[in-house]
Amino acid sequence: NAGVTQTPKFRILKIGQSMTLQCTQDMNHNYMYWYRQDPGMGLKLIYYSVGAGITDKGEVPNGYNVSRSTTEDFPLRLELAAPSQTSVYFCASTLGQDYGYTFGSGTRLTVV
Amino acid sequence: AQSVSQHNHHVILSEAASLELGCNYSYGGTVNLFWYVQYPGQHLQLLLKYFSGDPLVKGIKGFEAEFIKSKFSFNLRKPSVQWSDTAEYFCAVRSNYQLIWGAGTKLIIKP
Repeated sequence: NAGVTQTPKFRILKIGQSMTLQCTQDMNHNYMYWYRQDPGMGLKLIYYSVGAGITDKGEVPNGYNVSRSTTEDFPLRLELAAPSQTSVYFCASTLGQDYGYTFGSGTRLTVV
Repeated sequence: AQSVSQHNHHVILSEAASLELGCNYSYGGTVNLFWYVQYPGQHLQLLLKYFSGDPLVKGIKGFEAEFIKSKFSFNLRKPSVQWSDTAEYFCAVRSNYQLIWGAGTKLIIKP
């Protein structure tokens, strides 16, 4: 089925470990986004991309990195995991700003 | 910078009650407005959106929203809620290449 695929669904990291959250979409969307969702805080934008090779910081980029080498893939990298990064992470994409976003199913990350 | 306020963090209603969830954004001009829903354990889904034209927008599952420019508001409504409407509802406004999100309203429907 067409959509946004995120892996893994769940992950437990130890403090200082690194990991990459994968996000792939097969809808040829130019715009892709990474959000974190914390209880009662809504969605906070971490990074976004308006096309392959172009990325930009969102509201809460510290501790994260992204790349966009292809239209389909937009991985999110955590280099030195900290307890403050315990959250649910959502990837989203859209064809353009006149359209709604399509969200992935999320990654629940716990840092201990 | 643009911001979005959702005044009710939690709403509890009985089945068949009418629903109105508030959403206000911080400044005017041309705005694109959205309501998304997140059912328990699931990802966000688009309920409806407003770009221009008729300020009363109809979405999926019987939801509608009214854009009132003078009040900077985009409230979500449903005449008669069902137990299956239990979810968290997010209002968002477009700002350049991003969506600015409200904190969400958790809606619980008592059967």
